[in-house]
This record gives sequence, structure tokens and C-alpha cells, in this order.
Amino acid sequence: GAGVSQTPSNKVTEKGKYVELRCDPISGHTALYWYRQSLGQGPEFLIYFQGTGAADDSGLPNDRFFAVRPEGSVSTLKIQRTERGDSAVYLCASSLTPGLQWNEQYFGPGTRLTVT
Amino acid sequence: GESVGLHLPTLSVQEGDNSIINCAYSNSASDYFIWYKQESGKGPQFIIDIRSNMDKRQGQRVTVLLNKTVKHLSLQIAATQPGDSAVYFCAENISGSNYKLTFGKGTLLTVNP
Repeated sequence: GAGVSQTPSNKVTEKGKYVELRCDPISGHTALYWYRQSLGQGPEFLIYFQGTGAADDSGLPNDRFFAVRPEGSVSTLKIQRTERGDSAVYLCASSLTPGLQWNEQYFGPGTRLTVT
Repeated sequence: GESVGLHLPTLSVQEGDNSIINCAYSNSASDYFIWYKQESGKGPQFIIDIRSNMDKRQGQRVTVLLNKTVKHLSLQIAATQPGDSAVYFCAENISGSNYKLTFGKGTLLTVNP
């Protein structure tokens, strides 16, 4: 079946601009996650959605970052007033509902964001 | 500081040899440990996981060993193939947070034909 898809695959924007990154999770996965991966580093947790609600947004670096998942499926990560330090690969993952223990997270290919 | 880290940033092996990738962690409250493989331009791909109440788990050509005494995790790949060339990350899931993964920095594995 189809995996997690992310669009666009690459995004170049100018400092100060607004960007939206989209994630389509695996059908039937109620949990969705956003991570950010800087060059040479492992992914860093940003936010976790269970259904439509953000259950944990503790990883968002500041209030320029916001994410939504209005219908409990597709999610959009929004970054306002982009800065050069926001340049990274933004990864989306989805899983079945985490229960008492961890459920495997399936990652998309990521969106490479470059802020010039 | 980071809870999960790797001893070796790069590893180069000959095709057919066995590979061992190591990882140290510091959070004794971690419940699950997961190994991911990431090829260039792709997202991380799940390889194998191990729960903290186990010390060994085997998959297809891969074995994960967990030593809780010294907080050490390793991934062994048998008969390494060129297609195994990638960056390998260990990640941990802390007990009580059944969704949040904390990743280490990764080891680049290069398999020479």
C-alpha cells in the first residue's frame, strides 16, 4: 500500500517568507508526527497529533511554527517569518494509535526546506 | 544533552563481512530502542526494535543486542551487502511517552564491493 507522502519534496524560500509543508499519512493511521532533521543529525521531534488534536507540541521551537490536522488525516506544518536557521529536512511519520507501548512509526521522504 | 549517541560516526566494511554499529544511551527510563536505516534522500526506515526487558532480538540478517548494565545498544548486520550502505540511527522511546522518539546522530555505513 501507499506509504507516507510529503509535498513538496524541496522548497526554497526567502528569509521572512511563509511556508506550508504537507503530509499525507498512511490510510488508517490515527497518529501523525513531525520531526526536523538538520544536516548530519538525527531527527528531532516537533509535534504529535492523535486524530485532529495536537497531543504534544513540546518540540516546536517557537511560535513561528504551527501545525494543523483538521480532518484527522492530512497535516500541514506552517512556518511564519522563516529564518535561515529553519533550513532542514522536515519529516512526517504516522502510526497506529500508541497504546500502552510504542507503535512503529513510518516515515515519509521528507521536505527539504532551504531558506536563503 | 543528548540521551542517545553513537560511538562511531563512520564504518566501512567489505561486502560479505559482518557489521556492528554501536550506540550508547543515558536514560535508564527508556522502554523501547529502535534502529532505523536512512538512505540518501529518503526518510528513516524501521529495521528492528527491542524492548528494555530483552537483551537480544533477531530479524532477517540483523540482530540487536541490549546491555542495560552499561547502557549500550548494538546492531549487527550479517553478510553486509552494498544495499546496506546508509546512515543508521538508534532511537529510544522513554517509558511513559509511548510516541516520542529521541534519535542519536547516526553512523554512516559504507559497504565496499
